[in-house]
Amino acid sequence: AQSVAQPEDQVNVAEGNPLTVKCTYSVSGNPYLFWYVQYPNRGLQFLLKYITGDNLVKGSYGFEAEFNKSQTSFHLKKPSALVSDSALYFCAVRDYSNYQLIWGAGTKLIIKP
Amino acid sequence: GAGVSQSPSNKVTEKGKDVELRCDPISGHTALYWYRQSLGQGLEFLIYFQGNSAPDKSGLPSDRFSAERTGGSVSTLTIQRTQQEDSAVYLCASSPLGTDTQYFGPGTRLTVL
Repeated sequence: AQSVAQPEDQVNVAEGNPLTVKCTYSVSGNPYLFWYVQYPNRGLQFLLKYITGDNLVKGSYGFEAEFNKSQTSFHLKKPSALVSDSALYFCAVRDYSNYQLIWGAGTKLIIKP
Repeated sequence: GAGVSQSPSNKVTEKGKDVELRCDPISGHTALYWYRQSLGQGLEFLIYFQGNSAPDKSGLPSDRFSAERTGGSVSTLTIQRTQQEDSAVYLCASSPLGTDTQYFGPGTRLTVL
């Protein structure tokens, strides 16, 4: 069965520091991996995705994520956090044969000035 | 261009009443998804429409829930005889053919008293 785990309910980072939001997954085939962000009182927005190719994927707002097949992880990263990055982040996965995305429970990212 | 829109943005209803939630996808997008997001939870898949194919209703939690999509565009999610546990944010997303990226609407916050 497909599943996604975001082990941290909340991540606190000081502005200017690097940030990491963790995601691990389980699928039967090759994974398609996604990160979405939900700002307060706004809809979910697509950040980036991994389908194939380079393991380091770059996305919107300076975010990037690294696909690690051996660790079945797809952690979201940013070198220098901004207060405006504070939001709820969701990881999602599907395999190539199934259009349905399986979503993690979300991680609340708080960037403190 | 215009994004995915949903109406109403907020709906308060009494237990036992029926409600209709509307989703206007991005023009030309063939796929349409409905999700439910409860407080502190990830996204729960409800139903998926793709073009003129039969919808995937596997995520609907009970027979009180139904959805239709008219003319391959606007979709309506109907919840009959609402219960307090139906209280959640209902999200709609659409995708163009051949891509995995989902574009989300702002959601409808449903409160059942």
